[in-house]
Amino acid sequence: NAGVTQTPKFRVLKTGQSMTLLCAQDMNHEYMYWYRQDPGMGLRLIHYSVGEGTTAKGEVPDGYNVSRLKKQNFLLGLESAAPSQTSVYFCASSYQRGRVEKLFFGSGTQLSVL
Amino acid sequence: AQSVTQLDSHVSVSEGTPVLLRCNYSSSYSPSLFWYVQHPNKGLQLLLKYTSAATLVKGINGFEAEFKKSETSFHLTKPSAHMSDAAEYFCVVSAINNAGNMLTFGGGTRLMVKP
Repeated sequence: NAGVTQTPKFRVLKTGQSMTLLCAQDMNHEYMYWYRQDPGMGLRLIHYSVGEGTTAKGEVPDGYNVSRLKKQNFLLGLESAAPSQTSVYFCASSYQRGRVEKLFFGSGTQLSVL
Repeated sequence: AQSVTQLDSHVSVSEGTPVLLRCNYSSSYSPSLFWYVQHPNKGLQLLLKYTSAATLVKGINGFEAEFKKSETSFHLTKPSAHMSDAAEYFCVVSAINNAGNMLTFGGGTRLMVKP
């Protein structure tokens, strides 16, 4: 049982390049999330999904797009990377509808934009 | 609206001494509260959660937290620190509003444990 798997683990981009981060979960969770972690700011929600085919904006969605074509996968895209998007990105998933009781996290992707 | 404030960005203790990590929250709705731990280069792991049952919550690895509604606090404690407790800790509030379920993370507290 792998849980939540993120790929890649590390990536360096030049300004203006694009990339996609992949998150996969094998727990049949309905909810999936993308967060970014920056020093002193905790985790901030970028986008989330409450089910296959649905996505919604979180706290800091600008510059990112997401897709949830399959229940087990949640993709985060950067169309034109900027240095401000240098961060550690975490994917998470959760089971319960309504009030979330527990998040399961991936191990993170460290992204540097030069 | 809801928010979480972790009052200390860094806490340093000696091995074997008590740990106190402070968290204050605000929420317009009846919240659930969590503490997560993040070890270096790892994802976040749930330590404990409060969901309107007992106000004193016991978690993994000897940690516990007390929900105090009058003080809007949810401080994390451990009687005796271990070297393996060195990590970053996040307090999280979860509430349901018109937009659905909302999770808000505190800024994190880095715990250092000295031998």
